[in-house]
Amino acid sequence: EAGVVQSPRYKIIEKKQPVAFWCNPISGHNTLYWYLQNLGQGPELLIRYENEEAVDDSQLPKDRFSAERLKGVDSTLKIQPAELGDSAVYLCASSPRMGDINEQFFGPGTRLTVL
Amino acid sequence: EDQVTQSPEALRLQEGESSSLNCSYTVSGLRGLFWYRQDPGKGPEFLFTLYSAGEEKEKERLKATLTKKESFLHITAPKPEDSATYLCAVQAVGASKIIFGSGTRLSIRP
Repeated sequence: EAGVVQSPRYKIIEKKQPVAFWCNPISGHNTLYWYLQNLGQGPELLIRYENEEAVDDSQLPKDRFSAERLKGVDSTLKIQPAELGDSAVYLCASSPRMGDINEQFFGPGTRLTVL
Repeated sequence: EDQVTQSPEALRLQEGESSSLNCSYTVSGLRGLFWYRQDPGKGPEFLFTLYSAGEEKEKERLKATLTKKESFLHITAPKPEDSATYLCAVQAVGASKIIFGSGTRLSIRP
């Protein structure tokens, strides 16, 4: 079974430029998550989707971050404009169940460097 | 506020030297506690879910245990390939969000 796929793996941009990350979850997984992970820290949730609905986006900085999950499968996370403090690893995860216990399966992440 | 604290931050062991990693948690009610392994440049890899105090789970050289306030990840006779960061996370009753600790960086010397 293929795991969670993310692209690109690495991205280097100048501040104020836009950037987008793409995620393809494990087939059949209805729940999709985007996390941010800073060096030496655990992942922090940005947004959670149940199918195509964003059910928890309270930690997403909505002035510059946006996300979508069209057709309830692939998802895109966008930052516009990027700031120096956005440099981090952006992780996508998926889970087979809606609600209840959340065993999540992670992709390899996208390492973003903002110069 | 739900909180997860892991200790130590880093641990260096000799190959074959057994030890334990600690995860202390504060939640209004525990739905589940998770252990993940993360290798450099990769996403976290799911290891275990524990649901209630007294529960134990094992996988190769790893055994996870759970009490009402903390969880331990015991590693027996570790090998260099066990070197990684081990993350603990908790999910509260009624919540779908899981909260991660900062992890323990484990290094096993040959």
